[in-house]
Amino acid sequence: QSALTQPPSASGSPGQSVTISCTGTSSDVGGFNYVSWYQQHPGKVPKVLIYEVSKRPSGVPDRFSGSKSGNTASLTVSGLQAEDEADYYCSSYAGSNKMVFGGGTKLTVL
Amino acid sequence: QLVESGGGLVQPGGSLRLSCAASGFTFSRHYMHWVRQVPGKGLVWVSRINDEGSSTSYADSVKGRFTISRDNAKNTLYLQMNSLRVEDTAMYYCARDDFGSYVYWGQGTLVTVSS
Repeated sequence: QSALTQPPSASGSPGQSVTISCTGTSSDVGGFNYVSWYQQHPGKVPKVLIYEVSKRPSGVPDRFSGSKSGNTASLTVSGLQAEDEADYYCSSYAGSNKMVFGGGTKLTVL
Repeated sequence: QLVESGGGLVQPGGSLRLSCAASGFTFSRHYMHWVRQVPGKGLVWVSRINDEGSSTSYADSVKGRFTISRDNAKNTLYLQMNSLRVEDTAMYYCARDDFGSYVYWGQGTLVTVSS
């Protein structure tokens, strides 16, 4: 199974919005509504931000939102804050009881 | 809470058994996964087991070498890793499956494969 494709980096100024894409195929992202997004700060365990494409766990700010169109999922971070600087990963169910992650995107808050 | 153990330094071709002790939730009701991460690199899905332990799946890179299992009476998840390769060097996390996502993660256990 091939990793989902994410841009290696993204950036934005405080208060701005940034969108990170996650491109797969009809066998993973496009075929199922089980796309999740994770935030990972250096040396920390990943934290889920979005599950089932667009649902937010309790405690996750509504500045984080998810969507999907065809084989591409997207995470939008609105009102960027300094603490949003981290690595972001998407994941998707890939059929046959398997999962696949994206390569990760390093978000820099300018 | 999920707590991994069993990592360490092993020579290529060697074996290790990782454990993940679960507490604070009904372990037997949840599918569980192993995810690994080379330091400084991305997350990679490794394996998954269903709640009863009767169904398992693996990434192609570890299939035939790694075996996932669980003991619901002991609230513990395992990953038996055989024929280890240098490229298996990574932090290994166990994670609870919640609607196809991972809300709960362990702190990870580091596996280093080197001669």
